[in-house]
Amino acid sequence: QKEVEQNSGPLSVPEGAIASLNCTYSDRGSQSFFWYRQYSGKSPELIMFIYSNGDKEDGRFTAQLNKASQYVSLLIRDSQPSDSATYLCAVNPGGGADGLTFGKGTHLIIQP
Amino acid sequence: GAVVSQHPSRVICKSGTSVKIECRSLDFQATTMFWYRQFPKQSLMLMATSNEGSKATYEQGVEKDKFLINHASLTLSTLTVTSAHPEDSSFYICSARNYASTGTNYGYTFGSGTRLTVV
Repeated sequence: QKEVEQNSGPLSVPEGAIASLNCTYSDRGSQSFFWYRQYSGKSPELIMFIYSNGDKEDGRFTAQLNKASQYVSLLIRDSQPSDSATYLCAVNPGGGADGLTFGKGTHLIIQP
Repeated sequence: GAVVSQHPSRVICKSGTSVKIECRSLDFQATTMFWYRQFPKQSLMLMATSNEGSKATYEQGVEKDKFLINHASLTLSTLTVTSAHPEDSSFYICSARNYASTGTNYGYTFGSGTRLTVV
């Protein structure tokens, strides 16, 4: 069974600090990796995707991928109260299967 | 950018009735659409992959006779929850993949979701 694991939190971070969110996945053949933000009662919205080892930066967000360790992370710099949400890690397993496998999400709270 | 429209956003139905949810790709053709279900405080679970012009592929444990999927055109997929029961109450979300334009978000666009409540 392909699994994506996240710490459910809540993760509480002071405003302006760096929030670090982590994710591990079980399927070593996974191809691409996504971070989504979801507000309560709403659909997920894409923050970033990454498919190569290393770091990928987009504004205040940095995604990090380590395929050898089967580990993906998301860093949020200069955290804002509006960043408070549930962050979902999702994996495309590849191999012809195209649907995403999601983790349960980490509830992030940015404290003003 | 790619837009996926999902309707209705909320529906309340009586136990035993059927409910249809529509998912439309508005500005691109989607040969593949995905249906997810999310229970409170849980993650999104892939229910099925909908392929235009062919039968849907269901994930293990999802009853294909209960969750009917039709993908008759390149822009429309429908999910019908048949003989709904209170345990089917959930947040249903569709997603479409735009294979012609994978640069921005790797082609996965989500609908706004449908909150189904069965009473």
